[in-house]
Amino acid sequence: QKEVEQDPGPLSVPEGAIVSLNCTYSNSAFQYFMWYRQYSRKGPELLMYTYSSGNKEDGRFTAQVDKSSKYISLFIRDSQPSDSATYLCAIQIQGAQKLVFGQGTRLTINP
Amino acid sequence: DAGVTQSPTHLIKTRGQQVTLRCSPISGHKSVSWYQQVLGQGPQFIFQYYEKEERGRGNFPDRFSARQFPNYSSELNVNALLLGDSALYLCASSLRAGSNQPQHFGDGTRLSIL
Repeated sequence: QKEVEQDPGPLSVPEGAIVSLNCTYSNSAFQYFMWYRQYSRKGPELLMYTYSSGNKEDGRFTAQVDKSSKYISLFIRDSQPSDSATYLCAIQIQGAQKLVFGQGTRLTINP
Repeated sequence: DAGVTQSPTHLIKTRGQQVTLRCSPISGHKSVSWYQQVLGQGPQFIFQYYEKEERGRGNFPDRFSARQFPNYSSELNVNALLLGDSALYLCASSLRAGSNQPQHFGDGTRLSIL
């Protein structure tokens, strides 16, 4: 079993839709949760960084963490064609530097 | 301010050769980590360096090595290249070591092994 599971998609939605991206993890020692966006031929770009359970909002993006269920989500409101990219969840153990990534979900927003 | 910069952007090598990849962290960042990203997968952790010392190592063979210089830049070396080493090699920097430090990535070096 992988430490972090993420549906690779692809996921295709119309412009303006609400997008929900999800990851599950197996190790309860994971304490820090991140979402990265990666455009083709580019490096991952940090979108959201959270520690505690609950919601964190930044513009059109909301990150949600449920530690009891070992489940994290990223919601994108009013999706735009420029949001088309691969979205990676990354999780980290307290005190460690290593990020453990999901496989990434390839998202396409259709105009 | 400049982000994490990596060079070269693309490299083609043959099996058995050796390669050196370079990374300059964001100004003021003292920790550098290296990741390997195979097509269609998430990045896999290779090394972390902080204050010129290795602070973490992933599940990679001894053919992979790295170092960090006094200016906090870093090099990743891979010896005896195999076809399976073909991947995007990413460097990430953070202010300090530790789990409460967001990591910011460069655009990577795309390594192709023929």
